[in-house]
Amino acid sequence: EAGVTQSPTHLIKTRGQQATLRCSPISGHTSVYWYQQALGLGLQFLLWYDEGEERNRGNFPPRFSGRQFPNYSSELNVNALELEDSALYLCASSLGGASYGYTFGSGTRLTVV
Amino acid sequence: AQSVSQHNHHVILSEAASLELGCNYSYGGTVNLFWYVQYPGQHLQLLLKYFSGDPLVKGIKGFEAEFIKSKFSFNLRKPSVQWSDTAEYFCAVNPATGTASKLTFGTGTRLQVTL
Repeated sequence: EAGVTQSPTHLIKTRGQQATLRCSPISGHTSVYWYQQALGLGLQFLLWYDEGEERNRGNFPPRFSGRQFPNYSSELNVNALELEDSALYLCASSLGGASYGYTFGSGTRLTVV
Repeated sequence: AQSVSQHNHHVILSEAASLELGCNYSYGGTVNLFWYVQYPGQHLQLLLKYFSGDPLVKGIKGFEAEFIKSKFSFNLRKPSVQWSDTAEYFCAVNPATGTASKLTFGTGTRLQVTL
C-alpha cells in the first residue's frame, strides 16, 4: 500500500512569490490535513479537508489556502510568501476524521529567500 | 481549545537508561491520545494511541504510555533505550467527540541516546 506522498520534496521561493504544495493520501482515506513544522514550534495545524470540503482551519492568515480534489488529493497554496513561512509542511491523511490518528507524508521543505 | 505541553525539550540518555517523557494536555472532555516519533530524515510515525479502556497502552519498539486522567497526563516510557531511539517525540490529543476532528500536537521532545 502506497503511503501519503508529497511533492515537491524541496521548494525554494523568493519573498512575495506563491508556492503550491501537493499531497496524495493513502488510497481510501478521505481526510487530508496540513501542518506547518517550524523549528522549535512543533506541528501547527493549518487546514483539514474531508470529502472535498474545508472542515477546519488553524490560526494562519488567509494567504494560506488549499483545496481537495475529487480523488481526495490536496494542494496547499501559500501566497505572498514571507521569510517566516520557511518550514517543513506536512500532509497527513486519515479515514474520515482524526480519532484513529493520521498517516503522515515525508513533507515538503519550503525555503523562502 | 485543547493544548498539549511537553516540558522536556531535549533529553540526553545513555544506552540502557530508562526513559520517561512528559505530556500534559488541557481539555475538559474525553480525549484520544497519541505519541508519534520522527526519526532523523524520516516521516512521523505512530508509536501508540489511547482511546479507552486500560490506561496503560503498549506500542511499537517496546514503548508504553500511561493515561492518568486526574493529572491530564499521558507520559511515554521505555525501560531501556537504544541508540536507535534517537528521534523527536510528539504527543498529540484529539477530542473524542465533536466535529473539530484534528490532532493538536505538543512542541516535541528531542531524545538523544549516547553509546
